Parts: sequence; structure tokens; C-alpha cells
Amino acid sequence: AQTVTQSQPEMSVQEAETVTLSCTYDTSENNYYLFWYKQPPSRQMILVIRQEAYKQQNATENRFSVNFQKAAKSFSLKISDSQLGDTAMYFCAFMGYNNNDMRFGAGTRLTVKP
Amino acid sequence: GAVVSQHPSRVICKSGTSVKIECRSLDFQATTMFWYRQFPKQSLMLMATSNEGSKATYEQGVEKDKFLINHASLTLSTLTVTSAHPEDSSFYICSARVGTVDYGYTFGSGTRLTVV
Repeated sequence: AQTVTQSQPEMSVQEAETVTLSCTYDTSENNYYLFWYKQPPSRQMILVIRQEAYKQQNATENRFSVNFQKAAKSFSLKISDSQLGDTAMYFCAFMGYNNNDMRFGAGTRLTVKP
Repeated sequence: GAVVSQHPSRVICKSGTSVKIECRSLDFQATTMFWYRQFPKQSLMLMATSNEGSKATYEQGVEKDKFLINHASLTLSTLTVTSAHPEDSSFYICSARVGTVDYGYTFGSGTRLTVV
């Protein structure tokens, strides 16, 4: 079974600075998808960024980028120019290529300080 | 974008009663929906996969007779918590795939269930 590990329960960053959230996973599959979701206090899950394992290029979405290291099974999220609205829980998620269900890490609570 | 509507957002029920939570896909068809449970300050735990027109697939440890899932149409899946107990109090979230699988899933806004 796939497992997703987020080793940072809580992190904080000053507004406008950069922060990196860590995520590692375990799988025997070669093709799969990785995601970062944001869950603000409203509890609504919001997709931040996604990565396809067969693509070597790291995904980027505006201020959000990932460092995908397939051999190391690592998938970290970098948030640049942090904004107060980035304060939320961030979940790393794994989905197999042939399996429809999504598995989540324990989450990292990020606080952006003014 | 695609929206998954989940109702109710909050519900309080008495022990021993049943509660139904609805999850609707708006403007798209969802052959598969997923039900998650989230305890306070914890991650989302997959409970079951809901397949339109067939029986749901439950994760190990999830009681299928307690958490009844019905996916009778391509736009509606329901989760019924039967004979609810206080330990069933939790946050329940549904999700559905929109388009190809690599785009991930769209999530409902969740239901906070409190059993008193």
C-alpha cells in the first residue's frame, strides 16, 4: 500500500518570504500522480499543484512550485512570496496511475505571519 | 470550474438515529465518488469508493453496515450514517474526479456531524 509522510506538523513563515513543505511517499508503482492540496479554515480542499511522475520537469503554478525527486520519492512544495492568505493546512497526496483513490499525508499547518 | 455540492454542511443528531449526507456533482457526471473522514487536526482518511450503479468499495476497518453508500445516479452519491454514536462525530468530505485522472479530484465543502 502507498504511504505518504509529511514530517512537519507545523511551520511558520514571515509574509513575503519563502517556505518549503516536505513530503515523501512510498510506492512500488512507476507511474503515478502527486498533489498538494490546501485546506483553509473553511475546510474546503483546494488543489494547489499537481505532478505526473513520468514528467521530469517540476510543476509550477505562480508562486507555488515543487521539487520532485522520483528516485528519492520526495515531493516538496515551495511557496514563494508568502501571503497571509496562504495560512492553511497543506496536504500532500498520492494517486496511482491505475488506481482511482487518493491517499493523503498527515498534513502541515502553515502560518504566515505579518 | 467543476463543483461538488455537499449537504448539509452541519448536522447534529441524537444517538441511535441515522443521518444522510448528499454529494452532488454539478455540471458534470461523476461515475466514481470518494468519501473521506477527517478528525480534528488530522488528515483525510478514505472510507469508501462510491461507484455509480454498483456496490461501494469500503476500506479495511470501515463498517459497511454503519456507513451506507448509495450512488444511484451519475450526479449523486449519498452517505448514510446509521444508528449514529458519539464516536461517529467527525468531518465527512466527498470528492469526485473531473475529467482525466491526472487532474486530481474536486472536493465537496464537507459535513460536520455531531452526535449527541
